[in-house]
Amino acid sequence: DIQMTQSPSLLSASVGDRVTLNCKASQNIYKNLAWYQQKLGEAPKLLIYNANSLQTGIPSRFSGSGSGTDFTLTISSLQPEDVATYFCQQYYSGYTFGAGTKLELK
Amino acid sequence: EVQLQQSGAELVKPGASVKLSCKTSGYTFSNYYMSWLKQMPGQNIEWIGNIYGGNGGTGYNQKFKGKATLTVDKSSSTAYMDLSSLTSEDSAVYFCARLGLYPYYVMDAWGQGASVTVSS
Repeated sequence: DIQMTQSPSLLSASVGDRVTLNCKASQNIYKNLAWYQQKLGEAPKLLIYNANSLQTGIPSRFSGSGSGTDFTLTISSLQPEDVATYFCQQYYSGYTFGAGTKLELK
Repeated sequence: EVQLQQSGAELVKPGASVKLSCKTSGYTFSNYYMSWLKQMPGQNIEWIGNIYGGNGGTGYNQKFKGKATLTVDKSSSTAYMDLSSLTSEDSAVYFCARLGLYPYYVMDAWGQGASVTVSS
């Protein structure tokens, strides 16, 4: 099974900060990587697919990059509504999620 | 607008079974796969399996074979998941999620989740 490792597990940042979240796959998954945002008590929401493609309706401050085993999600200017847990997911072989990065305001 | 409406919270006894539903609207049900996922409190998300709305064809995570059974009713555009022989380890929130079209098989729309609590 493909394992997904996210870092950091907890990130504190201020409004307006540029924020980078990391995700590492245990083997090459090419660009078969998605990012989801989950706010407290809600279902996850798709942000990014194909490692760097922005889902319709998602603000352009969100961007993804990477291929192979190393991926990043960047928020260019953190907004209060971005407080959430972010999960990466591989869909190259089955579906596996990372444990998440909890993003909070400093 | 794509919508997935899940059934409500369930409190069930150990050893019992439960059937969760996911009623869809806003898209052609038979053209898409539906995924089911499990999220235990404060924990990771696990993929349980997929079912195709067109013909009911399924694919399961090996971990959930024998635990979960996925079905669909095309006439009502509804997906179902049966969970059997429930234990405390099955207490979780369960989500249905639509899989996007080839080649991007990602979960592009989600139900609100259904909480299952297994307790005597």
